[in-house]
Formats: sequence, structure tokens, C-alpha cells
Amino acid sequence: EIVLTQSPDFQSVTPKEKVTITCRASQSIGSNLHWYQQKPDQSPKLLIKYASQSISGVPSRFSGSGSGTDFTLTINSLEAEDATTYYCHQSSSLPWTFGQGTKVEIK
Amino acid sequence: QVQLQESGPGLVKPSKTLSLTCTVSDGSISSYFWNWIRQPAGKGLQWIGRIYSSGSTNYNPSLKSRVTMSVDTSKNQFSLKLRSVTAADTAVYFCAREEAETGPDAFDIWGQGTMVTVSS
Repeated sequence: EIVLTQSPDFQSVTPKEKVTITCRASQSIGSNLHWYQQKPDQSPKLLIKYASQSISGVPSRFSGSGSGTDFTLTINSLEAEDATTYYCHQSSSLPWTFGQGTKVEIK
Repeated sequence: QVQLQESGPGLVKPSKTLSLTCTVSDGSISSYFWNWIRQPAGKGLQWIGRIYSSGSTNYNPSLKSRVTMSVDTSKNQFSLKLRSVTAADTAVYFCAREEAETGPDAFDIWGQGTMVTVSS
């Protein structure tokens, strides 16, 4: 099973600040890494797929990069509505797995 | 726009079987992988397994001995059965679609989730 480790677990940031969340895989997964945003009491929402592909309807301040074992989700100019939890997910090798989540809070 | 809706009992007794159904609306269940994912309160996401519209399945090894998934294309539904449940199976259960018809892919569409509590 591929283990995904996100860092940090928690991040407190000011509005308009840049946020960087990292996801590290226990083995190479190519670009088969996806990012989701989950707000309280809602289902996850796909933000970025295949490491860096944008999703229609997702604000352009969200971007992704990386390949192999190291991936990054970047939120440029954080807005209040972005304060929530983010997960990475790999679809390289079954069983599909998720990172443990990163909670972003507004200072 | 395809929508997913989970349904099933919100309370299951220990040692019994948890049964959930996901209904696919405004789209066809054919030619996609359909997944079940769960999330205990305040915790992260755990992939349970997936089923293709043809009926082929893949399960998480950690749950494989207790899980059965099935699909009913005539009703545009797929289902999850989890046997011998314990309190550790208490969670919100989501159904989700893998975006690419051939899979594997990201989960582009999710149901709203249904809370299942295991308690006597």
C-alpha cells in the first residue's frame, strides 16, 4: 500500500498569504496524484488532478506541481473561504489511498 | 450533471451487516468505476473499494474479508455490504465516481455522504 504523508497537518495563515501544502508518497506514483478540498459537513471537492491539471470551475489561485514522490498544492492569495481541510489521493496503485489531511486556518 | 445519493440505515447493531446503496441520477452508471469511501468523525478518508459497471470489483485489503459490492445497471444503483460491523465502522460513507471511463482516475463526483453509527 502506498502511504501518502501530508505536511503540515495544520497551518494558520493570514488572508492573501500564499499557502503551500506538501504530499509525499512512499514510492513513486508518477503524476497520479489528486487534490481535494473538504469543507465541514460536505463531501470532498476535486481541486487538481494528475498533480497539476486544473479543474473547471476551481479558482485559478489553486495550483499543483510535482511528480514521482513529492507533490505540492499551492493556494495563491488565500481567501477566507479557503480555510478548510485539504487531502491528496493517489490512483497509481490499488488500494487507492489518501493523505491524512491538512487543515488551513485563518489567523 | 451526474449526481450521486447514498441511502441506507443510519444505525446498525454490532456484528450485523451495514448495507448502503448509491443511486446515480442524470447520467448512466455504465462504463465507469464507482467507489465507496468512508470518514470517521474528525478523521481522514479511507477508500473501501470500487466496482465497475460490469460488476468487477477491487477492495481495500484491510476490509476485503468483510466487504461485498454489487451493481444494478437497470436501477442505476450500486451497493455496499460490510459484514460483522463494530464501533470502528462508525463513519460517514461516501460514494464517488472515478472520472475516466476506463479508470483509474480522480474522484470527480461525490455523493453528499451518509452517517452510519454502529451501536446496540
